[in-house]
Amino acid sequence: EDQVTQSPEALRLQEGESSSLNCSYTVSGLRGLFWYRQDPGKGPEFLFTLYSAGEEKEKERLKATLTKKESFLHITAPKPEDSATYLCAVQATPKSGYALNFGKGTSLLVTP
Amino acid sequence: DVKVTQSSRYLVKRTGEKVFLECVQDMDHENMFWYRQDPGLGLRLIYFSYDVKMKEKGDIPEGYSVSREKKERFSLILESASTNQTSMYLCASNVGQAYNSPLHFGNGTRLTVT
Repeated sequence: EDQVTQSPEALRLQEGESSSLNCSYTVSGLRGLFWYRQDPGKGPEFLFTLYSAGEEKEKERLKATLTKKESFLHITAPKPEDSATYLCAVQATPKSGYALNFGKGTSLLVTP
Repeated sequence: DVKVTQSSRYLVKRTGEKVFLECVQDMDHENMFWYRQDPGLGLRLIYFSYDVKMKEKGDIPEGYSVSREKKERFSLILESASTNQTSMYLCASNVGQAYNSPLHFGNGTRLTVT
């Protein structure tokens, strides 16, 4: 069965303190790995898609990387507005077709 | 930008009521999905649809049904609401026949069943 595990569950950073969020996955044939940001009371907002090991994508202070077993979301010099829950998801399970299988998320709090 | 609109942000219903959650997308996407999101459990797939009048069960379809009469609209139906269906419900859509197509989500409907 496909599994997506995110760690840590929660992370508290000081403004400017860089860190990384982890997403490890076990799937039978990865078609894509997705990162989303979710603010309280809102739906997830798409950030990145990664397709193959070694791929990297960047957006402002965020950089996502992918290996054969895990993905990292690196946050460089975070600001309070980066506080959110970050979700990782994979597209792989044939029976669910084009749906995504999500991890439980990492709740990030950045304090001034 | 893709817009996925869920008709209600908050709903309060009584046990045993029939509940309809409506979702509309404006980007002519073939695929539409319903997830529920619960603390500690994450997002779980209830039902999805690849085309009008087509539906497929997700991981937790029990107690739910869906309807897709028009391409842009996907409805989730709780036949007889129960308290364990209190949750945040999220609708999403993406381009059909394409892997690696991100899902675009609505802002959710928070349903409370009393």
